[in-house]
Amino acid sequence: DIQLTQSPSFLSASVGDTVTITCRSSQVINTFVAWFQQKPGRAPNLLIYAASALQRGVPSRFSGSGSGSGTDFTLTITTLQPEDFATYYCQQLYNYPRTFGQGTKVAIK
Amino acid sequence: QVQLVESGGGVVQPGRSLRLSCAASGFTFNTFAMHWVRQSPDKGLDWVAVIWYDGSNENYADSVKGRFTISRDNSKNTLYLQMNSLRGDDTAVYYCVKENHGVWFDAWGQGTPVTVSP
Repeated sequence: DIQLTQSPSFLSASVGDTVTITCRSSQVINTFVAWFQQKPGRAPNLLIYAASALQRGVPSRFSGSGSGSGTDFTLTITTLQPEDFATYYCQQLYNYPRTFGQGTKVAIK
Repeated sequence: QVQLVESGGGVVQPGRSLRLSCAASGFTFNTFAMHWVRQSPDKGLDWVAVIWYDGSNENYADSVKGRFTISRDNSKNTLYLQMNSLRGDDTAVYYCVKENHGVWFDAWGQGTPVTVSP
């Protein structure tokens, strides 16, 4: 199975900050990566697909990228808003079983 | 507007069975693959199973293979998960998820909780 490791697992930030979350895959997955946001008691919400494509309706302060290696990916949130404090997950869709990173909780500093 | 509404969760003893349902609306159900994903309390996300748009193929996580069966009734726009021989580590919120463009998980239900406890 493909393992995804997110870093950091937790970060605290202030409104207006820029934060970056990294997702590293145990093998090459090209750009078959998605990012989700999840708030307590709610289902995950798709933010980014194909490593860098913004899902319809998602604010442009969210962006995704890949390093070109096919194993390292980042989610960046610029100008953090109060509603952005949540847990973020990466997911690989390169093969089965689909796997998720362990999550990164973004908390208010 | 896509809507996915799960039902059928509850408290069940180890070794017993439970069937989850997911009623879909707002899209052409019989043209999209569907998944179940679960999340244990205060834990991360765990993919469970997928079924092709026409029900012709399925795939399962190793942890549920041989115990869980995913199925769909396209005439009723409904997805199912039959869970047998339930164990304590199956305790989780179970989400029904729609796949788009053949890959991406673009819509999730609100989830239905399953608790396996003596």
